[in-house]
Amino acid sequence: GQNIDQPTEMTATEGAIVQINCTYQTSGFNGLFWYQQHAGEAPTFLSYNVLDGLEEKGRFSSFLSRSKGYSYLLLKELQMKDSASYLCAGMDSNYQLIWGAGTKLIIKP
Amino acid sequence: DAGITQSPRHKVTETGTPVTLRCHQTENHRYMYWYRQDPGHGLRLIHYSYGVKDTDKGEVSDGYSVSRSKTEDFLLTLESATSSQTSVYFCAISEPVEVTDTQYFGPGTRLTVL
Repeated sequence: GQNIDQPTEMTATEGAIVQINCTYQTSGFNGLFWYQQHAGEAPTFLSYNVLDGLEEKGRFSSFLSRSKGYSYLLLKELQMKDSASYLCAGMDSNYQLIWGAGTKLIIKP
Repeated sequence: DAGITQSPRHKVTETGTPVTLRCHQTENHRYMYWYRQDPGHGLRLIHYSYGVKDTDKGEVSDGYSVSRSKTEDFLLTLESATSSQTSVYFCAISEPVEVTDTQYFGPGTRLTVL
């Protein structure tokens, strides 16, 4: 079957670094997406990885290991506005997205 | 902003009534999707469309139908709403970004079935 696993909730401190992990099992693999979703709002695209390694975009970085079926999203210099849910999604062989349930990130001052 | 709007944004209805949700896009995207989002679950695909009059079922299509008579509009109909269909419904389009198609979401419709 197809499955995406990520922690339900994480807490971090303003100014710190947090890593949100995601493991995936998909039928075929055409990449791994990360989205951010603030409460009551729509998901917004953050990053896409299809090759192994780290992709950096400002304070956010995303890592992929295809051999391990593993990805993480790294958030640096955390700000209060980073309080949100972070959704991991794998793209299968039919180019459909399989979504995790999301990780709620709570930032404390 | 991918130019996606959804209507209505909120709706309360009663069990057994038909409900239609509308997704409208202004940028001529070929692919459109309907998802539902419930606590404890990831986004789940209901139906998607790959062109006018071309649609296909997703993971949770039972109790839902869709239509796409124009490129810009993708309608989701609950033929006879049930309480289990209380959810937040998101429409999405996909467009090429970097090396793949990336999905962008509308603002969502919160549906409550009493």
